[in-house]
Amino acid sequence: GAGVSQTPSNKVTEKGKYVELRCDPISGHTALYWYRQSLGQGPEFLIYFQGTGAADDSGLPNDRFFAVRPEGSVSTLKIQRTERGDSAVYLCASSTGQGGNSPLHFGNGTRLTVT
Amino acid sequence: AQKITQTQPGMFVQEKEAVTLDCTYDTSDPSYGLFWYKQPSSGEMIFLIYQGSYDQQNATEGRYSLNFQKARKSANLVISASQLGDSAMYFCAILIIQGAQKLVFGQGTRLTINP
Repeated sequence: GAGVSQTPSNKVTEKGKYVELRCDPISGHTALYWYRQSLGQGPEFLIYFQGTGAADDSGLPNDRFFAVRPEGSVSTLKIQRTERGDSAVYLCASSTGQGGNSPLHFGNGTRLTVT
Repeated sequence: AQKITQTQPGMFVQEKEAVTLDCTYDTSDPSYGLFWYKQPSSGEMIFLIYQGSYDQQNATEGRYSLNFQKARKSANLVISASQLGDSAMYFCAILIIQGAQKLVFGQGTRLTINP
């Protein structure tokens, strides 16, 4: 079956611009996560959705970052006034959300480059 | 807060040898899950193995096994009969079952298998 799909796979933008990154989770997965991964580092948690609501957004670095999941499926990560430090791979993952042994299934990520 | 420590930034192993990747964790929660993921140079995050904190036996999945030592808060990954395709970054992660359900990753270990 289809895995987690992220678009675009690459995004180059200028400093100060607005970007949207899209995530299409595995069908039926109620939990959706956004992570950010810098080169040579482990993924860093940003936000977690259970259904339509953000259950935990403690990882969002500042108010330039925002994410939505209006219908409990597709999610969009929005970054306003991008900065060069926002350059990273943004990973989306989904799971059944049914307890600790539900592994997260990751997409291939969106590589964001802010010039 | 949860924390994962992977003390080996890089490991070099001869093909067909077994390799152990170290992972220690820190949490005050009694109920948690431990995960290992593989990230090849292509960037995808591949789920390998899961160990629950209450599981009595060490988890095994094919050539992967998890050496779980709860008192030491250690969850080392053992790969038997290593193959060239095992060369990748490996991440250990912890998920607290009661609460935010977010997966916290370590910094990773880069494993290189030599022919």
